[in-house]
Amino acid sequence: NAGVTQTPKFQVLKTGQSMTLQCAQDMNHNSMYWYRQDPGMGLRLIYYSASEGTTDKGEVPNGYNVSRLNKREFSLRLESAAPSQTSVYFCASMKSDRGSSGANVLTFGAGSRLTVL
Amino acid sequence: AQSVTQLGSHVSVSEGALVLLRCNYSSSVPPYLFWYVQYPNQGLQLLLKYTSAATLVKGINGFEAEFKKSETSFHLTKPSAHMSDAAEYFCAVSEGFGNEKLTFGTGTRLTIIP
Repeated sequence: NAGVTQTPKFQVLKTGQSMTLQCAQDMNHNSMYWYRQDPGMGLRLIYYSASEGTTDKGEVPNGYNVSRLNKREFSLRLESAAPSQTSVYFCASMKSDRGSSGANVLTFGAGSRLTVL
Repeated sequence: AQSVTQLGSHVSVSEGALVLLRCNYSSSVPPYLFWYVQYPNQGLQLLLKYTSAATLVKGINGFEAEFKKSETSFHLTKPSAHMSDAAEYFCAVSEGFGNEKLTFGTGTRLTIIP
């Protein structure tokens, strides 16, 4: 089982460049998420998608866009990268079927470390 | 709105000693509560969860947590620390089934002293 796969694992950008972080899950989960992790701040939700075709803003959406391409894939785009977006980004998915033992449990990818110079 | 406070960003315990990591939550409805662990250079993985059944929840690797509504707490404990427990631990809350957003605390880094 691959679980949640994120690419790339590492990326260095210059200020103003754009890039897309890719995420795919093979667990048939309904919900998908993008978090960023910064020292001393824990994980903060950027965007999430409760189901295919829907996306919603999280706590820190400014400077990001997302696309729920299909049930498996959820991408995060930085249109004009800024040094403040230097972070480790995690994609996660959740099975949200009532009564399932896995309901409300997030499965995380391994993370993507982004540095913006 | 839901929130989580983890007291102590760094905790050090001796190998074999009790591990206690503190978490307090705020929620407008009965919450679901979670503890996740993150080992270096990895993603987070679930340790245990509380979803309104038994208040004492047992998880993997000998960890357990007790939901105390009167104290709005969900502290994580392990009777005897192992070197392999060294990691960062995150408490998280969601406002029950149907609310797919989890809010995480700022994390507690656990160091085990040989």
